[in-house]
Amino acid sequence: GAGVSQSPSNKVTEKGKDVELRCDPISGHTALYWYRQSLGQGLEFLIYFQGNSAPDKSGLPSDRFSAERTGGSVSTLTIQRTQQEDSAVYLCASSFRGAGELFFGEGSRLTVL
Amino acid sequence: AQKITQTQPGMFVQEKEAVTLDCTYDTSDQSYGLFWYKQPSSGEMIFLIYQGSYDEQNATEGRYSLNFQKARKSANLVISASQLGDSAMYFCAMREARTGNQFYFGTGTSLTVIP
Repeated sequence: GAGVSQSPSNKVTEKGKDVELRCDPISGHTALYWYRQSLGQGLEFLIYFQGNSAPDKSGLPSDRFSAERTGGSVSTLTIQRTQQEDSAVYLCASSFRGAGELFFGEGSRLTVL
Repeated sequence: AQKITQTQPGMFVQEKEAVTLDCTYDTSDQSYGLFWYKQPSSGEMIFLIYQGSYDEQNATEGRYSLNFQKARKSANLVISASQLGDSAMYFCAMREARTGNQFYFGTGTSLTVIP
């Protein structure tokens, strides 16, 4: 696609449920990043992929969070047993081989009731 | 230590005036890149301008310029002739080659342009 695509754009879930957020990066971009942005706050780094491997998982807040990337393209961020503090916008970004600027998707807004 | 520091949580500027948004960074790497992004209320992240650590000239893109002072480790964004549409959050970011191209973001500055 022309840009970074994220789905769903909005997700409302009940506390304790699992959610999956998807990111489809720009074709040919080997680097993929996940960030979390709470209301009115900055970007919190979650995880970074180069190809299918994740050199840096240091930002994942807890073991309830996991991410994978297959085929060097689509990535899925999974949050298990969601908590209210997981409510945020989850932003995905990609770049070409980790160089140049990041291109961001429009984000997935997660609300945990 | 914070990799990127933006000390101005909020700024106001009169329409048509220039404004400087501050950004300092912390790295021991010789090779790094500095970026500014704009995030309007719609939430999208818009890339504005890039400065490489080896670039000797300050980057410019239209009304945006980056005041790069390497010795002081600062990379301030200057917006000239402010417009109402410039009202947004602005984030400074750094990519370090040494850390595998990790991107670090500051906490942002909220800019409001007053008519």
